[in-house]
Amino acid sequence: GAVVSQHPSWVICKSGTSVKIECRSLDFQATTMFWYRQFPKQSLMLMATSNEGSKATYEQGVEKDKFLINHASLTLSTLTVTSAHPEDSSFYICSARGQGVTYEQYFGPGTRLTVT
Amino acid sequence: GENVEQHPSTLSVQEGDSAVIKCTYSDSASNYFPWYKQELGKRPQLIIDIRSNVGEKKDQRIAVTLNKTAKHFSLHITETQPEDSAVYFCAANPGTASKLTFGTGTRLQVTL
Repeated sequence: GAVVSQHPSWVICKSGTSVKIECRSLDFQATTMFWYRQFPKQSLMLMATSNEGSKATYEQGVEKDKFLINHASLTLSTLTVTSAHPEDSSFYICSARGQGVTYEQYFGPGTRLTVT
Repeated sequence: GENVEQHPSTLSVQEGDSAVIKCTYSDSASNYFPWYKQELGKRPQLIIDIRSNVGEKKDQRIAVTLNKTAKHFSLHITETQPEDSAVYFCAANPGTASKLTFGTGTRLQVTL
C-alpha cells in the first residue's frame, strides 16, 4: 500500500516554456501533498504544501507564480513550472500524506527536469 | 522554524559492522521523526519512524532512539550489508504543521 506515482519521470524543455508534473496517490486518498526540490547530492527542500480543494502554502523564497500547484482531487496534485529557465533544472519529488491523524509521507519516484 | 542537523555527512563501514547516524532538532514541539533511505536517482523510502512518546523503536537490523530532553535522535543499523549503501535522511515534523524538515543527509558506504 501507500503507492505514489509521478509523471513524467523525466522531461527536457526549452527556456521559456512551461512544464506540468503530476503526482498521484494510487491506493489511498491524500488530503495533503508536498512538493520538494532536490539538487544533486543535496537534501530535499520543501517548496510547498498542497491541500485538496484549497490554495497551496509556499515556503519562503518559492515564487508561487512560477511554481503553480493545483490539488484538484484527493488523488492528484500537479506542479507547473512556468517560463522555465536553466536554473529550474532539478529533481522534483512529491509526497503524499493520507487522511486522518497520520504523519507518514510517501514519496513519488521524482521527475528530473532539464531546461535547455 | 524547525532546523534539523545531521551528522556525519559521509560514513564508511565494513560489512557486518554497525552504523550510527545522529540528528538534532530545534523545535521542542516536534513530535514525529522519520528516517528515509534514498538510493541514487530514486525516491526516498521510509525505513523507520518514531513518535515523541516513545524512546526507542526497533525493526530487525534497524533501530531509532529519541532523546526529547536533548532534542536528538539517532539511527542505528547493525550487521550492515552492501545493500545498505545509500543516502539516509532524518526529518522532524513540528507539532504545529504537517510538513517535514529534512536533515542534510548521510552517505553510507558499506564496503566488503
